Amino acid sequence: DNQMTQSPSSLSASVGDTVIITCRARHDISNSLAWFQQKPGKAPKSLIYATSSLHSGVPSRFSGSGSGTDFTLTISSLQPEDFATYYCQQYKTFPYTFGQGTRLEIK
Amino acid sequence: EAQLVQPVGDLVRPGESLRLSCDGPGFIFSHFNMNWVRQAPGRGLEWLAYISGGSTVIHYADSVKGRFIVSRDNSKRSLFLRLNDVRVEDTGIYYCARQTDVGFWIDLWGQGTLVTVSS
Repeated sequence: DNQMTQSPSSLSASVGDTVIITCRARHDISNSLAWFQQKPGKAPKSLIYATSSLHSGVPSRFSGSGSGTDFTLTISSLQPEDFATYYCQQYKTFPYTFGQGTRLEIK
Repeated sequence: EAQLVQPVGDLVRPGESLRLSCDGPGFIFSHFNMNWVRQAPGRGLEWLAYISGGSTVIHYADSVKGRFIVSRDNSKRSLFLRLNDVRVEDTGIYYCARQTDVGFWIDLWGQGTLVTVSS
């Protein structure tokens, strides 16, 4: 399996801050990387696909980058609604795998 | 509007079987590959199964291979996951998720079905 490792596992930040979450794949996945946001009690929401492409309706303060094995999710100018848990996922090969999640909390 | 509709929840005893469903109104269901993803209480997301639009390609996570069966009925716009010989550790929220018809990324999620396995 292609293990996905996110860091940090949790993060505290303030409204207006910029945060970066990293995701590392054990094996090369090219750009087959997606990011999801999940709020408590809710289904995940698709944010980014193909490493850096935003789904329709996702604010431009979200951005993604990387290739191969190392990827980042950057959230600029944090808004109150951004405090949630974020997951990366590789869809290059089966079994698809998720990172363990990064919980973003308000400082 | 495209959506994925799932029942709210179900209770089942260890060793029993259960079939989960996911309905896909608002889009051409047969054109899309589908997935099941599970979330145990307080835990992260775990991918479980994939089925192609025509049911010709199916993949499972090792953790459920041989016990869970994914299927679909495109005439009813429905996706299914049969859970056999359920265990307490199968407790969690089961989400269906659609992959785009132009790539392999997930673009739409159901609201999830809570499965509780308890005696």
